[in-house]
Amino acid sequence: GAGVSQSPRYKVAKRGQDVALRCDPISGHVSLFWYQQALGQGPEFLTYFQNEAQLDKSGLPSDRFFAERPEGSVSTLKIQRTQQEDSAVYLCASSLGVASQETQYFGPGTRLLVL
Amino acid sequence: AQTVTQSQPEMSVQEAETVTLSCTYDTSESNYYLFWYKQPPSRQMILVIRQEAYKQQNATENRFSVNFQKAAKSFSLKISDSQLGDTAMYFCASSGRVGGGADGLTFGKGTHLIIQP
Repeated sequence: GAGVSQSPRYKVAKRGQDVALRCDPISGHVSLFWYQQALGQGPEFLTYFQNEAQLDKSGLPSDRFFAERPEGSVSTLKIQRTQQEDSAVYLCASSLGVASQETQYFGPGTRLLVL
Repeated sequence: AQTVTQSQPEMSVQEAETVTLSCTYDTSESNYYLFWYKQPPSRQMILVIRQEAYKQQNATENRFSVNFQKAAKSFSLKISDSQLGDTAMYFCASSGRVGGGADGLTFGKGTHLIIQP
C-alpha cells in the first residue's frame, strides 16, 4: 500500500474488555514496530517484529499485552482486560530492512480510550 | 538503555524566522543514530532528518539542519525560513543496538512548535 494503515482509528472500551488493534505495514517491509503514546508524551516502544518473528517485546507493559504478525505482514496488538491506564494512542511503524538507522514509517495511530 | 531529553515543551516564532529545537541524549551504545521526527496536528509522524553518530558532518535537508555535538551528547534541530506548515510536534529520537540490528526508537517528550503568520 501507499503507507502504513491502522484500524480502528478510534476505540472506546469499557474497563475489563479485550481490544484488538490492527496494523497494515507498507508492502515488503520486513520490520514492524508498535509504540504507545500517552497524552502529551513521546511514543514509547512496545515490541518489534522481523517478518513473523517477535524479536523484542521488552516494552510491553504487562502480560495483558500481546502482539502477533503470523504471516510477516499484518500485525495485531491485543490488550486483554483493559485498564484506564491503557488509554493512549497506539502507533505502528514499519521499515524496509533490519538496520537500526532505517527510516521508520508511521501509521496514523489508534486512539484507545478506556472508560 | 537510552534516554532522550527535550527541555522545550513549546516554542513560537514568526514565519520566516529561524528556530532551534534542543535535544540531549544519553546512550551506552558505541554506534547509534539520531533522528528528528515531525508530528503535524492529526497527521502521521514523518522523518525530518537523520544523523549517524560516527559521522562528524552535520546532516542537512533543505531548510532543516542539525548541530550534532557528540561529546556533549547534544543534537539540536535548526529550521531556517520557517513556514506555517512547520507547525507541529517535533520529537528527537535515538536508535542503536549492539550488532546494529533494528530496534525501537527512544523518543523525547517533544517540542510543540508554533509558526505565527
